Formats: sequence, structure tokens, C-alpha cells
Amino acid sequence: DIQMTQSPSSQPASVGDRVTITCRASQSISNYLNWYQQKPGTAPKLLISAASTLQSGVPPRFSGSGSGTDFTLTISSLQPEDFATYYCQQSYSMVFTFGPGTKVDVK
Amino acid sequence: QLQLQESGPGLVEPSETLSLTCTVSGGSINNNRYYWGWIRQPPGKGLEWIGSIYYTGSTYYNPSLKSRLTKSIDTSKNQFSLELSSVTAGDTAVYYCARIMYVTMVRPSGIDVWGQGTTVTVSS
Repeated sequence: DIQMTQSPSSQPASVGDRVTITCRASQSISNYLNWYQQKPGTAPKLLISAASTLQSGVPPRFSGSGSGTDFTLTISSLQPEDFATYYCQQSYSMVFTFGPGTKVDVK
Repeated sequence: QLQLQESGPGLVEPSETLSLTCTVSGGSINNNRYYWGWIRQPPGKGLEWIGSIYYTGSTYYNPSLKSRLTKSIDTSKNQFSLELSSVTAGDTAVYYCARIMYVTMVRPSGIDVWGQGTTVTVSS
């Protein structure tokens, strides 16, 4: 199985901060990397697919980059509604795997 | 707008079989541009991939669950289902059904539509 790791596991931040979350795959996954946002009590929401393709309706302050094994999700200016947990997920293998999550909370 | 709705028992006894169904509305499940899948989330923990199924019936399972899993699809009812046998307390989780994009038809992409999730507790 392809293992996914994320860092940090927790990211205290303030409104207006630039936030960067990294995700690493245990083997090359090309650009088959997706990012999700999850708020408590709700289903995850797809933010970015194929490492850098912003989904319709997702604010442009979110961006993704990377290829191979190393990927990054960046929030350019954190907004109050962005406090949430973020997960990466690989779809290179038909056995999908998620990263453990990064919780962005109030500093 | 496509919607997915999970249904099934909220409480299952240990060693029994958990059965869940996902009903798709607002679109057809008989579509070669999507897979259909299940994901679960134990209380206070992260997301765990369970498996996926294509409209043809082809299935892909999480190896750690494969021996206990059965997935099926009923295109006439626009539903797909999950059965997980010999459940334990470790199977207690919110179970989500979801749609997976397959637009390139090379490899799947992101999970773009999720059900609201159904809580399943394994307890006697």
C-alpha cells in the first residue's frame, strides 16, 4: 500500500496568516493527489484534485503544488471559515489512502 | 444536483454483519466516468478508505478489510451497497458513501460528492 504522511499534525494560526501543509507519499504517485477540508460533524469537501486543480467554488486563496512524492497545500490568507482539518489522499493506486490529517486551529 | 444518502442500522452487535446502502439521486450510477466508494471515520480519528466499485461491478478493497467485505451495485435502483462481516468495536465509525471522479479514464481522481454520513456503533 502507498502510505501518506502529513505535517504538521496541528497548525495554530491566526486570520490573515499564510498556512502551508505538506503531504508525502511513500512512493511516486505522479500528480494523483487530492486535498480535502473537513469541519466537525460534516463530510469532507474536495478542495483540490490532481495536485493543483482547484475545484469549482473553492476560493483562490487555496492552492496546491507538487508531484512525485512531495505535495503542498497553501492557504494564502487564512479566513475564519478555514479553521478545519485538512487531509491529503492519493488516487494513484486503486487502493486509496488518506493522510492522517492536519488540524488548523486558532493560535 | 447529485446527492448520495447512506442507509442502514445505527447499531450492530459484535460478530454480526454490517449492511449499508447508498442511494444516488439527481444522476445515474450507470456512468463510466465515475467510481462509487465507501469511506469511514472512527470517532475522533481520520479517514479510512474502505473500497470502491465501478458500474460494471469491478471492485477494489482496502486490504485490511478485504476478507470481511462485500460490495455490490444495482444500477436499476441507482444504489450501491456494502457488507462488512464479523464486526467488532473497532468498526464503530461514521460511514460515508461517495462518488469518485474518473474523468481521464486512466486513474481515478478526487472524491467530489459525499453523502452526509451515517453513524454505526458496534455494541451488544
